[in-house]
Amino acid sequence: DTEVTQTPKHLVMGMTNKKSLKCEQHMGHRAMYWYKQKAKKPPELMFVYSYEKLSINESVPSRFSPECPNSSLLNLHLHALQPEDSALYLCASSQEQGTNEKLFFGSGTQLSVL
Amino acid sequence: SQQGEEDPQALSIQEGENATMNCSYKTSINNLQWYRQNSGRGLVHLILIRSNEREKHSGRLRVTLDTSKKSSSLLITASRAADTASYFCAISGYSTLTFGKGTMLLVSP
Repeated sequence: DTEVTQTPKHLVMGMTNKKSLKCEQHMGHRAMYWYKQKAKKPPELMFVYSYEKLSINESVPSRFSPECPNSSLLNLHLHALQPEDSALYLCASSQEQGTNEKLFFGSGTQLSVL
Repeated sequence: SQQGEEDPQALSIQEGENATMNCSYKTSINNLQWYRQNSGRGLVHLILIRSNEREKHSGRLRVTLDTSKKSSSLLITASRAADTASYFCAISGYSTLTFGKGTMLLVSP
């Protein structure tokens, strides 16, 4: 199994809603990532988890709250988002955290904030 | 910033032609990776070239790296309509990968 599975594929939420994005991998990877990608732009790193501990937080607003319940799962909890947070949210994993690692990406969650 | 700059931003070719994309960067690197993204989907890793390598091949892909010029190129030979996608270089820094702005490739039948 070389897949990273993200749910839901599409999400529409209001600015007062609370929602969660989910990501799962069963490749035994110990590093997991959240990226945000706006249309026609490159992915931008948000968070990195290594061995289930938050390793990197790229100064992301607190309305985004990551969680890594176990080595296979990664969640992104969303609360009080703004319309400018509308984007494709991509989860990725790699064997270990490190820049010599190749990343395996999920298909993403297309988020629209109204 | 370690972000790569891809050139061209967009490329339109016919099936069977070769496509060349370039990536320039500003700092020293550990390695450079290339990824492909079909519209609105996740990225797929294509190839990784280490800083001590000059050229690498994978199927129809050929990647070169010139650390003295801080640049890399991705060549896709005998392109197919299915190669239509955005291509990103990713620069490896101290602890993270930073993606370049990408080249949108359109291959027409």
